[in-house]
Amino acid sequence: GAVVSQHPSRVICKSGTSVKIECRSLDFQATTMFWYRQFPKQSLMLMATSNEGSKATYEQGVEKDKFLINHASLTLSTLTVTSAHPEDSSFYICSARDAASGGNEQFFGPGTRLTVL
Amino acid sequence: DAKTTQPPSMDCAEGRAANLPCNHSTISGNEYVYWYRQIHSQGPQYIIHGLKNNETNEMASLIITEDRKSSTLILPHATLRDTAVYYCIVRVGYNQGGKLIFGQGTELSVKP
Repeated sequence: GAVVSQHPSRVICKSGTSVKIECRSLDFQATTMFWYRQFPKQSLMLMATSNEGSKATYEQGVEKDKFLINHASLTLSTLTVTSAHPEDSSFYICSARDAASGGNEQFFGPGTRLTVL
Repeated sequence: DAKTTQPPSMDCAEGRAANLPCNHSTISGNEYVYWYRQIHSQGPQYIIHGLKNNETNEMASLIITEDRKSSTLILPHATLRDTAVYYCIVRVGYNQGGKLIFGQGTELSVKP
């Protein structure tokens, strides 16, 4: 149980285009989902916390207009990188909290590799 | 959330126990100790967590010192597939706004 999926697993796009990444909790309901970014040889950096039915909370230094987050249902959150540029190339990872279990565990998706040309 | 300090890298022989230390000297009473690992190019995997008692599951054991200022993750019989970056994270409960903030972790290499 407690599986989180992401789609796509990797994407290559041209500079200036927008890219949407989906994060799904497959066998549990996730009232809260989190989005992280990881550059090569670095640790994960928390970008934002997404709560179902409300606006996301962004970490300091993360542009909310560039990284649009939507958490429309208890099993789906999306991250849209708008007007992507090469410096946005990174490994994007989502995670979800299983609220029904008491919520002290957070499960991660497999990540999405974004390359902006 | 309190910060943690981990050695940047460690080696372990296959079949032996891997003991990964973590210092969290500024931990407060309501903060949990979590361990995750990340195998190259994958999402992090939950291993174990604890508050003050030692914990054991099918993956590992977590030993927390009595003063809670440090902990050790023990993989009892390391295999090559345990090669990964191991993250020790301290945070309060979600109902108190706790978030998983990753540090640099320990890169564990299990060698044949």
